[in-house]
Amino acid sequence: EAQVTQNPRYLITVTGKKLTVTCSQNMNHEYMSWYRQDPGLGLRQIYYSMNVEVTDKGDVPEGYKVSRKEKRNFPLILESPSPNQTSLYFCASSLSGTGVNYGYTFGSGTRLTVV
Amino acid sequence: GNSVTQMEGPVTLSEEAFLTINCTYTATGYPSLFWYVQYPGEGLQLLLKATKADDKGSNKGFEATYRKETTSFHLEKGSVQVSDSAVYFCALSNSKGDYKLSFGAGTTVTVRA
Repeated sequence: EAQVTQNPRYLITVTGKKLTVTCSQNMNHEYMSWYRQDPGLGLRQIYYSMNVEVTDKGDVPEGYKVSRKEKRNFPLILESPSPNQTSLYFCASSLSGTGVNYGYTFGSGTRLTVV
Repeated sequence: GNSVTQMEGPVTLSEEAFLTINCTYTATGYPSLFWYVQYPGEGLQLLLKATKADDKGSNKGFEATYRKETTSFHLEKGSVQVSDSAVYFCALSNSKGDYKLSFGAGTTVTVRA
């Protein structure tokens, strides 16, 4: 089944403790992206990747890192999480950059709480 | 920059009622427009799309027409069901180098039996 898999689904952590949210897709998509969803703000892009070893900042990159060493994986790293990073996170992929015109495939989301 | 404005929710309807969710956008060039739906506890799913002016996207009884003159992409369904209860997001992509989707704030729709 074609899908984007995120782990974990739920995570509660403490301020300053490094964490990684994993994202993997099995569709050989070139383009991958991370979004955060907050009430009243919709989804905002954190980082995106056009292909292996090619990443760039989205609208809200502060406090986050990403890497794209393999085509299928695009982990999101919070080096020192803070409470304002409490949010619902989604990973998404698309066939290519221009393929976003055909729609993204989204993961099921990771609900992160930083206390 | 690009932006999407959706009507605020929540919206509560009875089954078989008519649903309209307004969406307007600001963008340079010729964006593609989308409606995504998020059912409780799930990720977003593409509901429909339109890639040029006057295109009509449709799926599962939902429709939206790309109106360049009014910069709008309103979502409509003639007869809603309880299973249509979800959060609906309007979005656009501009494909001007960043290839990202810009989303509206989302509209929560609840359909009562």
